[in-house]
Amino acid sequence: QITLKESGPTLVKPTQTLTLTCTFSGFSLSTSGVGVGWIRQPPGKALEWLALIYWNDDKRYSPSLKSRLTITKDTSKNQVVLTMTNMDPVDTATYYCAHKPRAPFYYMDVWGKGTTVTVSS
Amino acid sequence: SYELTQPPSVSVSPGQTARITCSADALPKQYAYWYQQKPGQAPVLVIYKDSERPSGIPERFSGSSSGTTVTLTISGVQAEDEADYYCQSADSSGTWVFGGGTKLTVL
Repeated sequence: QITLKESGPTLVKPTQTLTLTCTFSGFSLSTSGVGVGWIRQPPGKALEWLALIYWNDDKRYSPSLKSRLTITKDTSKNQVVLTMTNMDPVDTATYYCAHKPRAPFYYMDVWGKGTTVTVSS
Repeated sequence: SYELTQPPSVSVSPGQTARITCSADALPKQYAYWYQQKPGQAPVLVIYKDSERPSGIPERFSGSSSGTTVTLTISGVQAEDEADYYCQSADSSGTWVFGGGTKLTVL
């Protein structure tokens, strides 16, 4: 059974850097084709894809946020970390991590429950 | 950048058929995927590769594709299907994108 859980601060100040950790079980991020992605959702708004890291350390970022995002993985710890610099109140959102299956297609089949991040001074 | 366009809302009565469209603004179109999200919950995959249904998803959920438009169809809508629905795809560079979401209201 695949599970993912997001963790990190619930409150950050403007201009600070946000660091979120996705801890997962039930799969290995060293398996060919597998990936872990991050998606966020501001209150009352749509889902927004942020970043994805593949088993081979290939990384993809949202073009609009690429300069602020870094995604890394620690395969031995079953963790994926997302950092977002220069946080702003508009970055207030629920942040989800999700599993991309090994099939050669672009979708997430299992999601974490999400973690809420508020940006405020 | 690649964009997916959905209608903001769709309303149907119980037992009727709901159709939610998602239009891509560029070719070639990759496969599309659909997620259901109920209030306070994480999204759930309901359709992948345009028309495939994951295990555990009711048969009343189906997907189709025509040109640069994909459609999620829910036949015999039930009250429990009331939710937000998002389409998602990717462009040729591997950048993923979500549509703006459609709120399905069961009257």
